[in-house]
Amino acid sequence: AQTVTQSQPEMSVQEAETVTLSCTYDTSESDYYLFWYKQPPSRQMILVIRQEAYKQQNATENRFSVNFQKAAKSFSLKISDSQLGDAAMYFCAYRSRGYGGSQGNLIFGKGTKLSVKP
Amino acid sequence: NAGVTQTPKFQVLKTGQSMTLQCAQDMNHEYMSWYRQDPGMGLRLIHYSVGAGITDQGEVPNGYNVSRSTTEDFPLRLLSAAPSQTSVYFCASSYSMDRGLKSHEQYFGPGTRLTVT
Repeated sequence: AQTVTQSQPEMSVQEAETVTLSCTYDTSESDYYLFWYKQPPSRQMILVIRQEAYKQQNATENRFSVNFQKAAKSFSLKISDSQLGDAAMYFCAYRSRGYGGSQGNLIFGKGTKLSVKP
Repeated sequence: NAGVTQTPKFQVLKTGQSMTLQCAQDMNHEYMSWYRQDPGMGLRLIHYSVGAGITDQGEVPNGYNVSRSTTEDFPLRLLSAAPSQTSVYFCASSYSMDRGLKSHEQYFGPGTRLTVT
C-alpha cells in the first residue's frame, strides 16, 4: 500500500520570503501522480500543483514549484515571495495513474500548517 | 457548473441519532468518494464508488453506509452517530477513465462539519 509522510506539522515564513514544505511517499508503482492541496480557514480544498511521475521536469505554477525526486520518493513544495494569503494547511497527496477500483482515490499526508508573518 | 455540492455545511447530532450527508456533482464524473478529516490525521477515505450501483470500502468505513443510485448523487449515512464520528467530511468526484489532461484530478465539495455530542 502507498503511504505519504509530511514530517513538518507546522512551518512559519516571513512575508516575501521563500519556504519549502517537505513530503515523502512510498510506493511500488512506477507511474503515478502527486499533488499539493491548500486548505485555507474556509476549509475548501484547493489544488495548488500537480506532478506526473513520468515527467522529469518539475512542475511550476506561478510562485509555487516542486522539487520532485523520484528515486528518493520525495516531493517538496517551494513557495516563493510568500504572501499573507498563503497561510493555510497544505496537504501532499498521491494517486495511482490507473483508473480501476481504488486507484482513483487520493492518499493524503497529515498536513503542514503554514503561517505567514507580516 | 456547480461542481461538487454538499449539504449541510454544519450539523450537530446527539449520540445514537442518524443522518445523511448529501453530495451531488454535475460534471458527469463516474468516480465519487467520501473522506473524513481529523486534526493531525489528514484526509482518510471512508467509501468510494466507481459508478452507479457500485460502491466499496475505504480505509475507515465502520459506522457509515453509502449507496449510489445515480451518477450525480452519493449520500453518506450515519446510522447511529458516535462522538468518534465528529469530523469534517468531504465529498469528491473525478473521472474513472482517461479523458484527457485533468481526468486524474479530484474535485472536492466544500465540506460538512459534523459534531456528535
